[in-house]
Amino acid sequence: AQKVTQAQTEISVVEKEDVTLDCVYETRDTTYYLFWYKQPPSGELVFLIRRNSFDEQNEISGRYSWNFQKSTSSFNFTITASQVVDSAVYFCALSEDNYGQNFVFGPGTRLSVLP
Amino acid sequence: DSGVTQTPKHLITATGQRVTLRCSPRSGDLSVYWYQQSLDQGLQFLIHYYNGEERAKGNILERFSAQQFPDLHSELNLSSLELGDSALYFCASSVGLAGGEGYEQYFGPGTRLTVT
Repeated sequence: AQKVTQAQTEISVVEKEDVTLDCVYETRDTTYYLFWYKQPPSGELVFLIRRNSFDEQNEISGRYSWNFQKSTSSFNFTITASQVVDSAVYFCALSEDNYGQNFVFGPGTRLSVLP
Repeated sequence: DSGVTQTPKHLITATGQRVTLRCSPRSGDLSVYWYQQSLDQGLQFLIHYYNGEERAKGNILERFSAQQFPDLHSELNLSSLELGDSALYFCASSVGLAGGEGYEQYFGPGTRLTVT
C-alpha cells in the first residue's frame, strides 16, 4: 500500500531563512507521481509541482526547489529566503499510475515564517 | 481565482440528511477530482472523473456518490449524513490524466459542510 510521511508537523523560521520540508513515500509501483500542494491560511489548495518516478532531476522555480531521490524514497521541498507569505500548510502526495488518480496525501507540515 | 467554482460555500444540515455539492471545472478541463479535508482524517482523495467516466476511487464511503455530467460539471452526493462527515470538500480539475501534459490541478475554494 502507498503511504506518505511528513515527519515535521510544524516548523517555524524567521524571514529570509532557508527551510526544507521533508517528504518520504512508500510504494511498490515503479511508475508513480509525487506532488506538493500549499494551503495558505485562507484555506484554498494550490498545486505546486508534479514529478514522475522516471524524472529524478531536481527542479527549481524561483525560491522553491525540489529534491527527488528514489534511493531514499524522498521528495523534499526547500524554500530559499523564506517570506511571511510562505506561511501555510504544505502537503506532499503520491499517486500510483493505475489508470486512475488515486492519491494519498501526507499529514502536512505547517510552516510559520516570522517577520 | 483558479477558475474552478464550487457551490455552496457553506452548508449546515442535520444528521441523516442528504446533500449535493456542485463543482464546475475550469473551461477545457476534462478531469474532476473530489477531496475531503477533516481535522481527524486529514486530506483524503475521494474520487476522480475524466470526461464523464469514473477513473479512480479513493476513500469514498458507500453513502457518498458522485457523477460528472456531459457539460463536465460534477456533483458529489452525500447521504445519511453523520457528524463525522463534517469537513471541507474540495473539487479540483485538470486538463488530462497523469503522465500527460497539463496535469496541473486547480482547486476550487471548497464547500464547508457542517452536520449537526
